[in-house]
Amino acid sequence: GENVEQHPSTLSVQEGDSAVIKCTYSDSASNYFPWYKQELGKRPQLIIDIRSNVGEKKDQRIAVTLNKTAKHFSLHITETQPEDSAVYFCAASNTNAGKSTFGDGTTLTVKP
Amino acid sequence: NAGVMQNPRHLVRRRGQEARLRCSPMKGHSHVYWYRQLPEEGLKFMVYLQKENIIDESGMPKERFSAEFPKEGPSILRIQQVVRGDSAAYFCASSLRTSGGYTQYFGPGTRLTVL
Repeated sequence: GENVEQHPSTLSVQEGDSAVIKCTYSDSASNYFPWYKQELGKRPQLIIDIRSNVGEKKDQRIAVTLNKTAKHFSLHITETQPEDSAVYFCAASNTNAGKSTFGDGTTLTVKP
Repeated sequence: NAGVMQNPRHLVRRRGQEARLRCSPMKGHSHVYWYRQLPEEGLKFMVYLQKENIIDESGMPKERFSAEFPKEGPSILRIQQVVRGDSAAYFCASSLRTSGGYTQYFGPGTRLTVL
């Protein structure tokens, strides 16, 4: 089955700096890669996603890159703000199989 | 358009009792997924269902756990004879399959505490 590894497990940055979270996956059939943000005690919420026919996608301060050959994808947050502090999860899925496999999460702390 | 609904939000059970968790998907969504999240840990896949069918239950413990998604009504995750180790947040998500992929939208979760 699919295996997703996420690094780092914790990340602390100064407000205004950039944050990068990386994930690798094992199943070359995976073709959909969402990122979720989960604040303490709340539900995971989708912040950005990328499909395997695209190498990069950007939405304001958030971008995701995908390298299918190397089987890794990354989340980039620029100009971080304290409200970006949360746990971020990556996931990989094969849309034919249905389920998503999640990484173990990265706890991002943005210090004012 | 209401999002994914889960109830109850908090559930307390004593060891040996049954826990029944309900999930109503977003309108128009026919795919439901259940995940378990232990404190300060990630989301672990349990089961994927479509209406009246279990598609993938590879993450579900073989005993005491069952799930269903009937033709009418919410999806139910049932845990029989609960033990302390079952204490966790249980999230469901729903999706609308499209040819280009799909996005899972999560409910607020049910926090189960086993005394």
